[in-house]
Amino acid sequence: ETGVTQTPRHLVMGMTNKKSLKCEQHLGHNAMYWYKQSAKKPLELMFVYNFKEQTENNSVPSRFSPECPNSSHLFLHLHTLQPEDSALYLCASSQEWGYEQYFGPGTRLTVT
Amino acid sequence: EDKVVQSPLSLVVHEGDTVTLNCSYEVTNFRSLLWYKQEKKAPTFLFMLTSSGIEKKSGRLSSILDKKELSSILNITATQTGDSAIYLCAVPNSGGSNYKLTFGKGTLLTVNP
Repeated sequence: ETGVTQTPRHLVMGMTNKKSLKCEQHLGHNAMYWYKQSAKKPLELMFVYNFKEQTENNSVPSRFSPECPNSSHLFLHLHTLQPEDSALYLCASSQEWGYEQYFGPGTRLTVT
Repeated sequence: EDKVVQSPLSLVVHEGDTVTLNCSYEVTNFRSLLWYKQEKKAPTFLFMLTSSGIEKKSGRLSSILDKKELSSILNITATQTGDSAIYLCAVPNSGGSNYKLTFGKGTLLTVNP
C-alpha cells in the first residue's frame, strides 16, 4: 500500500466516548501532521511531528491528544469531544517540515 | 500573526478560459509557499515555490512567487471542467521550534462547459 492512509474513514461518537484516529504513511517521510477542516473555514494545523518530535500547539484543546510512536504512524486520541469538533480530520506527511505535504483521505468525524 | 489571503474567493469561468488566482502572505521566517488543489476529498499537492521569479509548470498549470510583493499567482490556461475545485495556498513558517503552517481560505473555481 502506498501514500497516506487513514482509519476510520467515518466516525460517529458521543460526547462521553473515547476513540482514536489512525494515520499511516508509506512514503518514508519524517514529518507528519494532523489538520482539522471545518465547513467554510481554512484548514487548521493541529499538531506537527518532525522527526518524531512534537511541536506544542497551545490552541488545540486537551481533549485532542496526538501520539507518534514511530515515523510512519500517527494517532489522534479523542475524548469528551463537543459537537463543534465535528469536522474532517486530515493527516499529512512530508519529507520534512516546510516541504510539500501529501494528505490522507481524512476521517469524517461527527460528535453527537 | 501570520496571514495568508487568497483572491478571489470564488470564480466562475467557461471551458477554455484562462484564470489567475492570487495568494498574498505575511509570515515570519518565510520558507516556501505551497499550492494545493482540493476537490471532494483531501488536498493534492501542486507546487512548492521557494525562489522568487522562477516559474513552476505542470501541464496547463503554472505558478510563480514574488518575494518582494509577498505574493504568488497560480495560472490555469485552457480550463477544463475537471479543473473545478478549491485551490489552496499555504505558507509554512519555522520560527525556531514553533512550527506553523497557515492556509488561506482558498479560491473556489467553477469551470462550466
